[in-house]
Amino acid sequence: DVVMTQSPLSLSVTLGQPASISCRFSQSLVYSDGNTYLNWFQQRPGQSPRRLIYMVSNRDSGVPDRFSGSGSGTDFTLKISRVEAEDVGVYYCMEGTHLYTFGQGTNLEIK
Amino acid sequence: EVQLVESGGGLVQPGGSLRLSCAASGFTFTIYDMSWVRQAPGKGLEWVSAVRANGVDTFYTDSVKGRFSISRDNFKNTLYLQMNSLRAEDTAIYYCAKGLRALGEYWGQGVLVTVSS
Repeated sequence: DVVMTQSPLSLSVTLGQPASISCRFSQSLVYSDGNTYLNWFQQRPGQSPRRLIYMVSNRDSGVPDRFSGSGSGTDFTLKISRVEAEDVGVYYCMEGTHLYTFGQGTNLEIK
Repeated sequence: EVQLVESGGGLVQPGGSLRLSCAASGFTFTIYDMSWVRQAPGKGLEWVSAVRANGVDTFYTDSVKGRFSISRDNFKNTLYLQMNSLRAEDTAIYYCAKGLRALGEYWGQGVLVTVSS
């Protein structure tokens, strides 16, 4: 089975400062079609999840450009260049290559 | 405007059954895989099941295999999840979502399923 590690599980960030969340896997996420199915989601309190990034680095429509995704193979990162108040919530990575597994979630709060 | 609207949730006793529906509009439902994702109270997201656009190929997480059945009606643009032999640990908000490997471009508002006596 693929082992997934999302870190940190909690993040306290000052407004305007950067934030970074990591997801690491025990196996490569490169699928047989050559694509890497690693997605990032934001879930604000009381709301449905929202996809921010798909296939490692593709930003969804309407997602601010302060959000970016990077990585390859087994190591991936979501970066927020300058945290804003509306970014409070829980962030999840999700792999769609093996068993469609979500990470444990990272709770982002404002310091 | 894209909409995914779930229905069919509620309170059910352990061992009981429920059928969830997800009505889709605003996109070409017939050409996309569709998934169900759930979230237990205060917990994280868990992918539950998916069905290919053709309606033939289906996928399940291990904990629901043999108990849940996913299907779709491409004429009615509707996704279903038949849940049998429900357990307390199935208590969650159930979301339908567009896609599978890159799922989640669109999500429904979720429907609460509570399994309790």
